[in-house]
Amino acid sequence: GEDVEQSLFLSVREGDSSVINCTYTDSSSTYLYWYKQEPGAGLQLLTYIFSNMDMKQDQRLTVLLNKKDKHLSLRIADTQTGDSAIYFCAESMKNNNDMRFGAGTRLTVKP
Amino acid sequence: DSGVTQTPKHLITATGQRVTLRCSPRSGDLSVYWYQQSLDQGLQFLIQYYNGEERAKGNILERFSAQQFPDLHSELNLSSLELGDSALYFCASTRDGRDSYNEQFFGPGTRLTVL
Repeated sequence: GEDVEQSLFLSVREGDSSVINCTYTDSSSTYLYWYKQEPGAGLQLLTYIFSNMDMKQDQRLTVLLNKKDKHLSLRIADTQTGDSAIYFCAESMKNNNDMRFGAGTRLTVKP
Repeated sequence: DSGVTQTPKHLITATGQRVTLRCSPRSGDLSVYWYQQSLDQGLQFLIQYYNGEERAKGNILERFSAQQFPDLHSELNLSSLELGDSALYFCASTRDGRDSYNEQFFGPGTRLTVL
């Protein structure tokens, strides 16, 4: 089974906020990531957070990390149809080898 | 465009056969990672090479092998193929992949179908 867990589907309306959640199991993970995969394409890094941070904001994206609960979330403000994709949560150790990915959350944005 | 190229884009072959997937990292990147994405196993890290040498191993089967050449391109060899090997195979590259954070840039993937 996977060490990183995500819900598989999320559907929102255009303009709403999306929140994608992830739980991980390795408390020694140093980096936590959010990747986006559009149909027929590879993974694109959206953002990452060091394990000593609680929050990171980058334009419409906000990442929250609760290290005690091993919970990571990605909030997308003002979600657009172009945000429709699969979003992967991932964790890795200090040297970012052996990244472990969740199964991905398919975000569908309805007009 | 991440700057990482993979060939071929699609590959259809039969069980028992052997295939080679190729990856060219971004210019200047020394480290290459291989991943397998399948419906039942999700995205799995297979193996990493750094400057020609194997650096880390993940869930790579013994039937699979990889190498990184002096020009830093990498090949993933899959042999004695089984139906369950059908998947998307991604390559990613980073500047060095050693003890510092380096963003992994992913290629577009090779879709392997084993019939």
